[in-house]
Amino acid sequence: KQEVTQIPAALSVPEGENLVLNCSFTDSAIYNLQWFRQDPGKGLTSLLLIQSSQREQTSGRLNASLDKSSGRSTLYIAASQPGDSATYLCAVKDGGSQGNLIFGKGTKLSVKP
Amino acid sequence: DVKVTQSSRYLVKRTGEKVFLECVQDMDHENMFWYRQDPGLGLRLIYFSYDVKMKEKGDIPEGYSVSREKKERFSLILESASTNQTSMYLCASSSAGAAGANVLTFGAGSRLTVL
Repeated sequence: KQEVTQIPAALSVPEGENLVLNCSFTDSAIYNLQWFRQDPGKGLTSLLLIQSSQREQTSGRLNASLDKSSGRSTLYIAASQPGDSATYLCAVKDGGSQGNLIFGKGTKLSVKP
Repeated sequence: DVKVTQSSRYLVKRTGEKVFLECVQDMDHENMFWYRQDPGLGLRLIYFSYDVKMKEKGDIPEGYSVSREKKERFSLILESASTNQTSMYLCASSSAGAAGANVLTFGAGSRLTVL
C-alpha cells in the first residue's frame, strides 16, 4: 500500500532564506504528484503538479522536482517570505488516471520576518 | 473565478443527529471527492464520484453516505452523527481526462463538531 511521508513535520526559517521541503513515497509506480498549500482553517490550494514522465515543474519562486526511481520529491521555495507561512502537503496519484490521491501529513512552514 | 463551495463552514450537531454537508462546483468537473482531515492523521478519502449517480467508497466510508444527483453537487451524509466524526471535512473536484491532468480543486472546508 502506498505511503507518503513528509519530513520535517515543522520548519521555521528567517525571511529571505531558500528552503527545501521533502516528500517520499513507497511505491514508485505513481501517475503524478501534486504539491498543495493549506492556510490555517482553510482548504487546500494546488501549487504544482508533476506528471510521472516529468522531472520538475516551476511556478514563480516555487520549483518541484520528482525522482520516481528513488521515491522522492522536493519543493524548493526561493527567497521565502512571511506570506509563505502555511502547511505544505504532497500527494501522489497511483492506480492510473482514475486512481486516488494519497496525501502526506504535511510540513508546517513558518517564515519569520 | 472558478471554485468549489461548501455551504457550511462551521456546524455543531448532537450525537445521533442526521447531518448533510453540501458541496457545489462550477467548473463542470466530472470527479468529486469528500475527505476528512484530522491532526496527526492527515487527509483521508471518504467517498468519491466519477459521474452523476455514481459513487465509490474511499478509505474510510463507514458511518457516511453520499449523493450525487446533479453533476455540480456532491453531498456527504452522516446518518447518525457520532463524536468521533468531529473533524474538518473537505470537498474537492477535478476534471476527468488523460495524462493525469486532473488537478484537484478544494473547497474551504466544513468544520463539524459533534457533541
